Amino acid sequence: GEDVEQSLFLSVREGDSSVINCTYTDSSSTYLYWYKQEPGAGLQLLTYIFSNMDMKQDQRLTVLLNKKDKHLSLRIADTQTGDSAIYFCADVNNAGNMLTFGGGTRLMVKP
Amino acid sequence: EAQVTQNPRYLITVTGKKLTVTCSQNMNHEYMSWYRQDPGLGLRQIYYSMNVEVTDKGDVPEGYKVSRKEKRNFPLILESPSPNQTSLYFCASSLAGIDQPQHFGDGTRLSIL
Repeated sequence: GEDVEQSLFLSVREGDSSVINCTYTDSSSTYLYWYKQEPGAGLQLLTYIFSNMDMKQDQRLTVLLNKKDKHLSLRIADTQTGDSAIYFCADVNNAGNMLTFGGGTRLMVKP
Repeated sequence: EAQVTQNPRYLITVTGKKLTVTCSQNMNHEYMSWYRQDPGLGLRQIYYSMNVEVTDKGDVPEGYKVSRKEKRNFPLILESPSPNQTSLYFCASSLAGIDQPQHFGDGTRLSIL
């Protein structure tokens, strides 16, 4: 079945850029998603990209999609301590009936 | 305020004692689903519902039941909970299906002793 992989942990200094990577095996999805989870809270939709796009920019966030390599990335410019959270990429499986999440990347921002 | 509300937020109980986690959304969404979150595994889908009276199994349905008698509510039922169901559970909803942004509740932490 669908498999979505992320690195577990990323640590950056405040003001630096963060890049969180995600790879997936199959996708029939119209969208690919990035969700943010802060401690004790549910998942909050951060951004998404249409599958026919290569890049989407939304203020400090840039999403890059390489469909050939099945690679999705999220870049956070000027990372702040408030960006510390777990970030999940998610994709709809080939059957189109299930959202598959990566294991999450914990971003730690040091002052 | 548009939201997905889960109750309870925390529950400690014992093996075999039936429990229900409620989920309610006020956005008139057609699609609702339940996930469990375990460390390093991300979120895995338990059950989903495309509309009233329509439910289907997700990736990890064993040991769970759901019902969708009204559009706004989608309770998760553990008939005979076991320790391996100790987890963090999330309910989510979207306007019309899986391939749309999902709105998540704040989660329910279940501990089965």
